[in-house]
Amino acid sequence: GQQVMQIPQYQHVQEGEDFTTYCNSSTTLSNIQWYKQRPGGHPVFLIQLVKSGEVKKQKRLTFQFGEAKKNSSLHITATQTTDVGTYFCAGRETSGSRLTFGEGTQLTVNP
Amino acid sequence: DSGVTQTPKHLITATGQRVTLRCSPRSGDLSVYWYQQSLDQGLQFLIQYYNGEERAKGNILERFSAQQFPDLHSELNLSSLELGDSALYFCASSRPGLGSDTQYFGPGTRLTVL
Repeated sequence: GQQVMQIPQYQHVQEGEDFTTYCNSSTTLSNIQWYKQRPGGHPVFLIQLVKSGEVKKQKRLTFQFGEAKKNSSLHITATQTTDVGTYFCAGRETSGSRLTFGEGTQLTVNP
Repeated sequence: DSGVTQTPKHLITATGQRVTLRCSPRSGDLSVYWYQQSLDQGLQFLIQYYNGEERAKGNILERFSAQQFPDLHSELNLSSLELGDSALYFCASSRPGLGSDTQYFGPGTRLTVL
């Protein structure tokens, strides 16, 4: 079955440093979504990417979908303590199939 | 607030017992998903219902079962509980359609099996 792998599993950064998490699927995806889970909270939808090579920005967050639609990345510029949490990617193999979540990247930001 | 409600928030029980977790999806959402998240782990997909019918099954144990009722709320039943079943159980809902399959998660039920 479809597998979605995410690296790294953990990332510790100093406030102000950049952060990137990578997501790779074993199969071509129709779309990919990113979620953020704050400590003690529940996953919250951030964004969806659909097109090959798509790049979307939300303030300091930049999301990319690979040309082959098998990988994606989330980059945070100049991290802040409010960025702390676990970031999950979730891929959908075909329209109508269920999302498969990656294992998540747990980000810690030291002030 | 995602609009998805889950009860109870916390549940403490003993091994061998049976519990029921409840989820009310966002208004208008037809799909309900159940996930298990153990400490510092990812989201393990358990099962999905769509408008009352089972749509997809993940790594759900035979001791676990779920259903979605006509009013679209869902219940996850966990029986013969073991220590390893201690986890956060999330429910999520979505409104499948063109570009509208975002999942909205509830606050979760934290299950502790002693």
